[in-house]
Amino acid sequence: QKEVEQNSGPLSVPEGAIASLNCTYSDRVSQSFFWYRQYSGKSPELIMSIYSNGDKEDGRFTAQLNKASQYVSLLIRDSQPSDSATYLCAVEGRQLTFGSGTQLTVLP
Amino acid sequence: AAGVIQSPRHLIKEKRETATLKCYPIPRHDTVYWYQQGPGQDPQFLISFYEKMQSDKGSIPDRFSAQQFSDYHSELNMSSLELGDSALYFCASSKGQGYTEAFFGQGTRLTVV
Repeated sequence: QKEVEQNSGPLSVPEGAIASLNCTYSDRVSQSFFWYRQYSGKSPELIMSIYSNGDKEDGRFTAQLNKASQYVSLLIRDSQPSDSATYLCAVEGRQLTFGSGTQLTVLP
Repeated sequence: AAGVIQSPRHLIKEKRETATLKCYPIPRHDTVYWYQQGPGQDPQFLISFYEKMQSDKGSIPDRFSAQQFSDYHSELNMSSLELGDSALYFCASSKGQGYTEAFFGQGTRLTVV
């Protein structure tokens, strides 16, 4: 079993909708959690980091962490076509461990 | 703001040749990570360095080696290249070891022919 699992994609949402991306992790002692956005052929771009249980909001992005359930999510409000990319959940210990990514397409 | 710099951006090598990839971390970042990403795959961790010492090792082939220098830049040396080594190679840097945000360079696309 992969250490970081993401909900299988691809995920398509209409423009203006909320996109919900989910991630679970297996290492209960993990402390730091990140969401990266990656456009095809480009490098991962850090968009959110979260360390404590609860919600963290940054513009149209909200990250949610539930350590008891070992669950991290990313909500993208008012989705735009430019949000179309692969979103990678990452959990950090001595290294960054990535999930397999969820490909998001926002339809105009 | 300064970002992680990788060179070269593109590299074409023949089988059995050697390649050297370079990574210059964000100023004052002391940790460097190397990742390999094949088409349609998530980044696979190769190796990391903290304060010029190897801190963790992932799925790095024995044909590959890496080090971090006194100025904190890092080099990934790849020998006896195989067709399967064709991939995007990313370097990321962070400040401190673990639990901190890591930022990626633009990557080196290696093609082995």
